[in-house]
Amino acid sequence: AQTVTQSQPEMSVQEAETVTLSCTYDTSESDYYLFWYKQPPSRQMILVIRQEAYKQQNATENRFSVNFQKAAKSFSLKISDSQLGDAAMYFCARRGGSEKLVFGKGTKLTVNP
Amino acid sequence: DAGVIQSPRHEVTEMGQEVTLRCKPISGHNSLFWYRQTMMRGLELLIYFNNNVPIDDSGMPEDRFSAKMPNASFSTLKIQPSEPRDSAVYFCASSPWDRANTEAFFGQGTRLTVV
Repeated sequence: AQTVTQSQPEMSVQEAETVTLSCTYDTSESDYYLFWYKQPPSRQMILVIRQEAYKQQNATENRFSVNFQKAAKSFSLKISDSQLGDAAMYFCARRGGSEKLVFGKGTKLTVNP
Repeated sequence: DAGVIQSPRHEVTEMGQEVTLRCKPISGHNSLFWYRQTMMRGLELLIYFNNNVPIDDSGMPEDRFSAKMPNASFSTLKIQPSEPRDSAVYFCASSPWDRANTEAFFGQGTRLTVV
């Protein structure tokens, strides 16, 4: 089975500090896409950032950036200058040529004031 | 666009009853996904459709679950008979078919409670 693993069930960070959420994945495909989604208490799933596997450059969206290590099949999310509104569940996801979109089990992020 | 629309938002039903969850994908999106979210198992992909055709239903837990997509603008997930262990949040998501790099857009989910 092609899986996505998030090894940190919970993380916490102080407001204005930086935190990194980990994700590893398994795939036999050479062409695939990776995503981080945020799920606040409202339970709405919100896309945070995406990465195409064929691109070597790490994606960045404002305070959110990724560290994509293709050989290691690692895709971590870094949140800089954490804000109280960043508190949520964060899900890593992989989508390959089969079009299936598979998620990890999530990491609950707490932001402390 | 109004986004992916799911109904109902909440459903409470008694064990043994039939439950039908509904989804209207974003217009023009050709892929549709049904997920189940629980604390223990996270977000599980139950089934997905491309151009109204079921492509992979390997995530459907058992024969009590069935899903249909009669046209491009409507899909249902049915549980018959329902059991307490089916209690979860069920999400529908849609995505364009020809751009695999595009994320899936999610509905607000249906919280199902089977008592």
